[in-house]
Amino acid sequence: DAGVTQSPTHLIKTRGQQVTLRCSPISGHKSVSWYQQVLGQGPQFIFQYYEKEERGRGNFPDRFSARQFPNYSSELNVNALLLGDSALYLCASSLARTGDEQYFGPGTRLTVT
Amino acid sequence: QKEVEQNSGPLSVPEGAIASLNCTYSDRGSQSFFWYRQYSGKSPELIMFIYSNGDKEDGRFTAQLNKASQYVSLLIRDSQPSDSATYLCAVWSSGTYKYIFGTGTRLKVLA
Repeated sequence: DAGVTQSPTHLIKTRGQQVTLRCSPISGHKSVSWYQQVLGQGPQFIFQYYEKEERGRGNFPDRFSARQFPNYSSELNVNALLLGDSALYLCASSLARTGDEQYFGPGTRLTVT
Repeated sequence: QKEVEQNSGPLSVPEGAIASLNCTYSDRGSQSFFWYRQYSGKSPELIMFIYSNGDKEDGRFTAQLNKASQYVSLLIRDSQPSDSATYLCAVWSSGTYKYIFGTGTRLKVLA
């Protein structure tokens, strides 16, 4: 079975631009979570979606938004990019929303110049 | 106090030795505990999860959970150079419905 997939792998954007990252969960998984990981730190929780509804949100500004589609895939949008948004963006899928094991995709490396 | 704390390391152990990685957490409502391995430039890979007090073994890995003391540990037996990576501890709480990660411990296994 395919694991979690993410696209694109790498992305270079300019300050002020907008970016959309995509994630497809493991087949049968209904929950998708998004994380931001900067060098030397653990992943920081951004959003969790379950059954197409936002179920949790971390301490990130409103420039960050996400949605989940009927097929459980998800998009993360970041508006008005800042240099500090440069990071590895990780998507993780799990069966449900209540503390199940999460499996990560390969990530999208975003560089903001 | 950080929600999930790990010693950043590096923790250096000789090949064949037991590596012991520790993690403490602050939320007593935490219910699920995970260990991930992350190689440089790669995404985290789930290696162990534990939900109940005590030990859970899987191959060379043993996770230990003590909810009263609010710590979880990972033992790696017969450490190999390929085990050299950053190990992330993650905790899920029903109070916050969030997975909180520590900053990770860097492990070096010396050949």
